[in-house]
Amino acid sequence: GENVEQHPSTLSVQEGDSAVIKCTYSDSASNYFPWYKQELGKRPQLIIDIRSNVGEKKDQRIAVTLNKTAKHFSLHITETQPEDSAVYFCAVAFNDYKLSFGAGTTVTVRA
Amino acid sequence: KAGVTQTPRYLIKTRGQQVTLSCSPISGHRSVSWYQQTPGQGLQFLFEYFSETQRNKGNFPGRFSGRQFSNSRSEMNVSTLELGDSALYLCASSLSGAATNEKLFFGSGTQLSVL
Repeated sequence: GENVEQHPSTLSVQEGDSAVIKCTYSDSASNYFPWYKQELGKRPQLIIDIRSNVGEKKDQRIAVTLNKTAKHFSLHITETQPEDSAVYFCAVAFNDYKLSFGAGTTVTVRA
Repeated sequence: KAGVTQTPRYLIKTRGQQVTLSCSPISGHRSVSWYQQTPGQGLQFLFEYFSETQRNKGNFPGRFSGRQFSNSRSEMNVSTLELGDSALYLCASSLSGAATNEKLFFGSGTQLSVL
């Protein structure tokens, strides 16, 4: 199955700074790369996704970049705010009705 | 529109027992998938159903099974429970479960504790 590694496992940033989370995957055929955010005690929610025919996608303060050659993709959060504190999961898929998730990154935004 | 509903929210069982968890997808969604969430392990895929058919299965032992009904509601069953089965079980629904993948809507999960 698909192997997804996510780093770092924890990330503490000062409010207003940027946060970057990186994921690498093993299956070069993978073509769908979503990011889910899970606040404490809540359900995971999709925040942004990208498909293999695109190198970068932005949505306000969040962006995802994809490097298919190197098989890695990253989540970038700019101007972090306290409400960005959560666990972030990357995931990978290839036309097989399932997502393979990374182990998660706990992001803490310090006021 | 109601979100994905999972019942029960909490379960406490003892080793060797079996358990059934239920998931009602968002109205109109036909694909239901199940994930096991444990601290430090992320979300591990269990299985996915569409139109009462299992289309993919994760690397879990045969003690884990599931099914989907004609109204798209899904159940998963775990027999002969082990301590290591303690986890949050999440189900997620999507509109068509397209092979090219689409947004998943997660339920709040069932927290299973095996004593």
